[in-house]
Amino acid sequence: KNQVEQSPQSLIILEGKNCTLQCNYTVSPFSNLRWYKQDTGRGPVSLTIMTFSENTKSNGRYTATLDADTKQSSLHITASQLSDSASYICVVTLAGNNRKLIWGLGTSLAVNP
Amino acid sequence: NAGVTQTPKFQVLKTGQSMTLQCAQDMNHEYMSWYRQDPGMGLRLIHYSVGAGITDQGEVPNGYNVSRSTTEDFPLRLLSAAPSQTSVYFCASSYLTGSTEAFFGQGTRLTVV
Repeated sequence: KNQVEQSPQSLIILEGKNCTLQCNYTVSPFSNLRWYKQDTGRGPVSLTIMTFSENTKSNGRYTATLDADTKQSSLHITASQLSDSASYICVVTLAGNNRKLIWGLGTSLAVNP
Repeated sequence: NAGVTQTPKFQVLKTGQSMTLQCAQDMNHEYMSWYRQDPGMGLRLIHYSVGAGITDQGEVPNGYNVSRSTTEDFPLRLLSAAPSQTSVYFCASSYLTGSTEAFFGQGTRLTVV
């Protein structure tokens, strides 16, 4: 069964600290993996995309990694800011013409002052 | 640069009423979709369309209808609202080939009483 599992379910950190969010997937055939950020009351917004051949990709203070062998991805947030408080959702796209997306449940991050 | 526009943002319906959630995008995306988001269940695909005149069912299509008469618009119709349809609804659009990044609307919070 195609699944995306994220951990932890929720996380609270202090402003300025770093954190790492995890995403494990059992999806085949794999096309790519995206991390989305969803602010409260808003739609998700893409942060980064990882393809099969990519190991690491950065977008400002966000760094995503992908290990295609172990089917794991992580999202590392450096020097967190209050505006990083959001839900972070991992999504895997199935290869093929129907562009089926397998969504994780997300990690809810709260950054406290 | 509107992106994906959803209306209304909030709606309260009585059981048995019908209504249409509007979605419009101005990015000339072929692929459009409707999701519902419920606590603890993540985003679930209701219906999707790969172009004008073509629609198909997602994971949870029962109780909903869609049509796609133009590239820009993809309305979602609730035929006879039920309390189980209380949820937050998101419309999304993306290119059919190439980038799989989905652009989301701001969401519609629907309550059925």
